[in-house]
Amino acid sequence: GEDVEQSLFLSVREGDSSVINCTYTDSSSTYLYWYKQEPGAGLQLLTYIFSNMDMKQDQRLTVLLNKKDKHLSLRIADTQTGDSAIYFCAETNQAGTALIFGKGTTLSVSS
Amino acid sequence: GAGVSQTPSNKVTEKGKYVELRCDPISGHTALYWYRQSLGQGPEFLIYFQGTGAADDSGLPNDRFFAVRPEGSVSTLKIQRTERGDSAVYLCASSPGTTSEQFFGPGTRLTVL
Repeated sequence: GEDVEQSLFLSVREGDSSVINCTYTDSSSTYLYWYKQEPGAGLQLLTYIFSNMDMKQDQRLTVLLNKKDKHLSLRIADTQTGDSAIYFCAETNQAGTALIFGKGTTLSVSS
Repeated sequence: GAGVSQTPSNKVTEKGKYVELRCDPISGHTALYWYRQSLGQGPEFLIYFQGTGAADDSGLPNDRFFAVRPEGSVSTLKIQRTERGDSAVYLCASSPGTTSEQFFGPGTRLTVL
């Protein structure tokens, strides 16, 4: 079945770049997503990428997609303390009716 | 309101009781989703509505869980004979269509004692 795997923790210093990695199983996913969850808040869509793209840049965020290896990464440039949160990678299920999420990567940014 | 709202924000109940969780989607969104997020996990899909009908309920864990959306807007997730393992944050999301971005509500934290 579909599965999404992520590393659980990442710790960086303010101003450094953060790279969060994800692997997924369903090669038929049309879109792949990155969501951010802050304590006590709902999930916020950060960015997404079409499966026929290999890179997407949006301000400080860069998404890289390697379809051959089913590997997705999110790079945050000039990481700020406000970026501290849990980041979830997600793909659509085979029916296209729901999102399949990873367990989330907790990003901790120290000043 | 501009976003998805969920009530209550917190619900504490005793094992064996019945609970109802409510979701108000963004006005005009035809697709509505329920997810469950346990501690330290990502959200897990429960059920998807397109309009009034449940188009995919494959994520419901057992027949104690049921959801309705009678008028194609507000949805209620119903859990019968609650168990301690049902304790989690229940998230609702809506979108303009199936392939569109899903907008999530803040969730209802359910605690079963």
